[in-house]
Amino acid sequence: RKEVEQDPGPFNVPEGATVAFNCTYSNSASQSFFWYRQDCRKEPKLLMSVYSSGNEDGRFTAQLNRASQYISLLIRDSKLSDSATYLCVVNLSGTYKYIFGTGTRLKVLA
Amino acid sequence: DADVTQTPRNRITKTGKRIMLECSQTKGHDRMYWYRQDPGLGLRLIYYSFDVKDINKGEISDGYSVSRQAQAKFSLSLESAIPNQTALYFCATSDPPGGSRSTDTQYFGPGTRLTVL
Repeated sequence: RKEVEQDPGPFNVPEGATVAFNCTYSNSASQSFFWYRQDCRKEPKLLMSVYSSGNEDGRFTAQLNRASQYISLLIRDSKLSDSATYLCVVNLSGTYKYIFGTGTRLKVLA
Repeated sequence: DADVTQTPRNRITKTGKRIMLECSQTKGHDRMYWYRQDPGLGLRLIYYSFDVKDINKGEISDGYSVSRQAQAKFSLSLESAIPNQTALYFCATSDPPGGSRSTDTQYFGPGTRLTVL
């Protein structure tokens, strides 16, 4: 079983739609969680950290479910510019080890 | 100006050649990392350094070496390049948690696309 698993997609959605991605992790000692966005052939960029209480940043909402060991990302009112690959990243607190998912590809269609 | 820069951005080389990838950062972070990314795989850690005198192997260090010349500079070398080292290489930096920050966020350079023929 992979340490971090994501549905690779692609998720093809129309503009204005709401879309959600999940990411599961296997190590219960995982402490820090992130969503990164990666455009084709470019570097990953931090979209948001994921806090235990959940957090929201504009159209983006992240949730953490420790009991079921998954995190989620919800994008509301999708824009064409949201088309990208979304990487789930998990860190064991206090360690160097960041575990990257393979990413979920989103295509927002006009 | 970019906070984390990498040179070269693209490189084509031949099997057996030695090649160096360079990373510089202006973020003032102590921690630096080298990753490679291959299609269908997540980023995998090659080496990491928590300060100038602290360098450690990651999960796929064979065939690679690094040098931390200063807090701001971290170089990755392929001693004798082989075709399966063809990949996208990223340098990253991070700052340990402190103050109001409880997480250790990584910031990535723009990447180096390396092709080994």
